[in-house]
Amino acid sequence: DAKTTQPPSMDCAEGRAANLPCNHSTISGNEYVYWYRQIHSQGPQYIIHGLKNNETNEMASLIITEDRKSSTLILPHATLRDTAVYYCIVRPYGSSNTGKLIFGQGTTLQVKP
Amino acid sequence: GAVVSQHPSRVICKSGTSVKIECRSLDFQATTMFWYRQFPKQSLMLMATSNEGSKATYEQGVEKDKFLINHASLTLSTLTVTSAHPEDSSFYICSAQDRVFYGYTFGSGTRLTVV
Repeated sequence: DAKTTQPPSMDCAEGRAANLPCNHSTISGNEYVYWYRQIHSQGPQYIIHGLKNNETNEMASLIITEDRKSSTLILPHATLRDTAVYYCIVRPYGSSNTGKLIFGQGTTLQVKP
Repeated sequence: GAVVSQHPSRVICKSGTSVKIECRSLDFQATTMFWYRQFPKQSLMLMATSNEGSKATYEQGVEKDKFLINHASLTLSTLTVTSAHPEDSSFYICSAQDRVFYGYTFGSGTRLTVV
């Protein structure tokens, strides 16, 4: 079973920031938070991942709470092309780990003009 | 960046025939590859995990004799749907894990329609 909880859907106005929450209250100390998104009829696309510090890349920012029980993915200036299903996944990360990614139901983000 | 090529993107086959789907990591070696299935308006469901040179590990409820997985090299895994039936119609997606950086890259998926 997925170890995360996300709202099923969200709307965002084009050009505004999209803030997608994720609850992972049972996260373990060695588990990272990963975010992927899936645009209709395509394979999932990696967005960002983090352990406990906030992370930022060219696509998004990831804010993880101090207790690590929840996180927020931020798309700073959403465009229509960001309309997709966003998945928050937790899993261990390490040199000898080949663990699988288990997908929950995700959040369907609809960016509106 | 890492690229995974999945082929074919779409396939229509007759009931009772077999279909092979290929998944290739183009610019990295994949320690492990994963196969997922996705029905309309549902999330991805993991079917099996394959490691190069060894037998695949199937998730509970997935028939290993029906969904044959071969991972013959560090850059190629194949999924064969044997004796396909209409209920096997689905979107199949592979994922490859980089053996150096342990990131996951997904293929673009295969839409299988069994008629």
